[in-house]
Amino acid sequence: GAVVSQHPSRVICKSGTSVKIECRSLDFQATTMFWYRQFPKQSLMLMATSNEGSKATYEQGVEKDKFLINHASLTLSTLTVTSAHPEDSSFYICSARGELTAYGYTFGSGTRLTVV
Amino acid sequence: GQNIDQPTEMTATEGAIVQINCTYQTSGFNGLFWYQQHAGEAPTFLSYNVLDGLEEKGRFSSFLSRSKGYSYLLLKELQMKDSASYLCAAMDSNYQLIWGAGTKLIIKP
Repeated sequence: GAVVSQHPSRVICKSGTSVKIECRSLDFQATTMFWYRQFPKQSLMLMATSNEGSKATYEQGVEKDKFLINHASLTLSTLTVTSAHPEDSSFYICSARGELTAYGYTFGSGTRLTVV
Repeated sequence: GQNIDQPTEMTATEGAIVQINCTYQTSGFNGLFWYQQHAGEAPTFLSYNVLDGLEEKGRFSSFLSRSKGYSYLLLKELQMKDSASYLCAAMDSNYQLIWGAGTKLIIKP
């Protein structure tokens, strides 16, 4: 079946530094990648949608210069949180959609980001 | 606007049956998804309905009524491991998922 590998699973960084999160589709081509953020006890919040080779489309209220998304290939998308602050601490999840994901979306395992 | 409503929390007893309801309003409709999410983990796919009726898959079943904008997830023979959040999501005309806030299901022995 369709598998999405997301790394790292957990990261702790200092305030002001940048963190990169990778999502790779292992056995299918992810034509579209979605990046979500989830705060404790809340549902998933879509941050941005990216199509391979195109600029990402960001949801209202999400700073595109702070959350850099690259989807340079059909199997890899990255989210870079630049100049991270404690309020960026959250659970970040990617989700991919491609020809094998007939029922919609395959999720990565998530990244727990803690900014100290 | 687009909206998904589901209860915040439900409690049930091990071995029993529980039904989690979801109502939706979307611009167009391309199906209704249910996902299970354990604390600290990513959601996992449970079911997808696009036609009216009941889809049964083992202990879990999902129902859809498009005319009523309503779905439910039915969990039978509850086990302690079923304690999780259950997310309802509707796909709109642009094939975007609109997510509910999730229902936290607590299973008691």
